[in-house]
Amino acid sequence: SQTIHQWPATLVQPVGSPLSLECTVEGTSNPNLYWYRQAAGRGLQLLFYSVGIGQISSEVPQNLSASRPQDRQFILSSKKLLLSDSGFYLCAWQNRGQGTDTQYFGPGTRLTVL
Amino acid sequence: QKEVEQDPGPLSVPEGAIVSLNCTYSNSAFQYFMWYRQYSRKGPELLMYTYSSGNKEDGRFTAQVDKSSKYISLFIRDSQPSDSATYLCAMTYNQGGKLIFGQGTELSVKP
Repeated sequence: SQTIHQWPATLVQPVGSPLSLECTVEGTSNPNLYWYRQAAGRGLQLLFYSVGIGQISSEVPQNLSASRPQDRQFILSSKKLLLSDSGFYLCAWQNRGQGTDTQYFGPGTRLTVL
Repeated sequence: QKEVEQDPGPLSVPEGAIVSLNCTYSNSAFQYFMWYRQYSRKGPELLMYTYSSGNKEDGRFTAQVDKSSKYISLFIRDSQPSDSATYLCAMTYNQGGKLIFGQGTELSVKP
C-alpha cells in the first residue's frame, strides 16, 4: 500500500531564516506531487505541483520554492521566511497511472514563524 | 466569486443527528467530486469520491451531486462524536487535474 511521509511534524523558525520541508511517498511510481498551505480556519491553497522529476509548476508567486530531486521526493524551501509563511503545510500525491483523480495527503507540517 | 463555496460553520449537532454538508460551485465543467475529512492538526483523508451526478453511499455517509444546480452534499446519518472534524469538498475538471477545494465546514457532534 502507498504511504506518504512529511517531516518535520512541527517547526518554529525566526523571520528571515531558511526553510526546508520534505515529503516522500512509498508504494507508487511516477506520482503527481503537490504542496498546499492551510491557514487557520481556511481552505487549502495550492502552492506547487509536479508531474515528474525536476518539473515544478508554481501556483502562487511568493518567496517559497519547490524541488523534486527524485521520483517520490518533494521538497519545499525558502531562503528567508516571512511571518506570513506560518501555516499548516500539506503534501499530497496522486496516482496518474490508474486514472484516479483523488489526492492523498500526508500528515502535514505545522510551521510557526516568529 | 470563488469557484467553490462552502459554509465554514461551525456546525454543532447532537449525537445521532443527520448532518448535511454542502458546497456550491460556479463552473459547470467540474465532473469529479470528492469529500475529505480532516481531524484537528491532521492531514485530510479521502472520504467519498463521485463522478458526475447521482448518489453514492458508504455506510453512514452519502454523497450527492446535482450538476444541474451546481450543488454537492454529504449526508452523515446517526452522527457520532468521532465524526467531529472539518469536512472539505473538492472537485476537478478532468482526470489527473488539479483539485479545487472549498473552505471546509467544521462539524462538532456532541454526546
